[in-house]
Amino acid sequence: QSVLTQTPSVSAAPGQTVTISCSGTISNIANNHVSWYQQLPGTTPTLLIYDDYKRPSGIPDRFSGSKSGTSATLDITGIQTGDEADYYCGTWDTSLRSGVFGGGTKLTVL
Amino acid sequence: EVQLVESGGDLVQPGGSLRLSCSASGFTFISSAMHWVRQAPGKGLEYVSSISVLGGSTFYTASVKDRFIVSRDNSRNTVYLQMNSLREEDTAVYHCVRGGPSSSSSLSSWGQGILVTVSS
Repeated sequence: QSVLTQTPSVSAAPGQTVTISCSGTISNIANNHVSWYQQLPGTTPTLLIYDDYKRPSGIPDRFSGSKSGTSATLDITGIQTGDEADYYCGTWDTSLRSGVFGGGTKLTVL
Repeated sequence: EVQLVESGGDLVQPGGSLRLSCSASGFTFISSAMHWVRQAPGKGLEYVSSISVLGGSTFYTASVKDRFIVSRDNSRNTVYLQMNSLREEDTAVYHCVRGGPSSSSSLSSWGQGILVTVSS
């Protein structure tokens, strides 16, 4: 059971917008920066969002992150077939003194 | 270009030991905390361990504490994970991951991973 809670799966048609949520606690999300990782089928995870909302170079602005209290969200606008992947939130947990991940959300593009 | 190349994965019996190595290049190694993250077959990501830039601070997820030891050699741009008392539930692909200057920073670059199989 993951420390951070994510909805296991979401689906959307091309062009639509999807929101993926990540729920935590005061010891992790509320007091540490959140990152989001994309894992395309059969590949290694890559950093999608860091420091709650920042995008690494090369990540399109269709991907955006936000945080409020003990929850974080990843929004993907203008969904494309190539966005079909598993998405993970991650952060540091001050009480556990370790990194933590959500269980992952599988995005299916209809 | 950032490169992280893991080695040392193998099939090992329960109770056995294994040492993973990760050779890093393409960035200033001494400025980056380093991490190990694993992914069991068909499962999600699981944080395993972190080590600070100078190696003075180490962190572990609860399930591996007192069994795994992370270390780094900044002169060789290499990070290690010594895994002892291995259990079947440790079976996974182990990724070496570059972090930021702090152990709590995001995981910016991932190695391809190395498979560790624990089975009798």
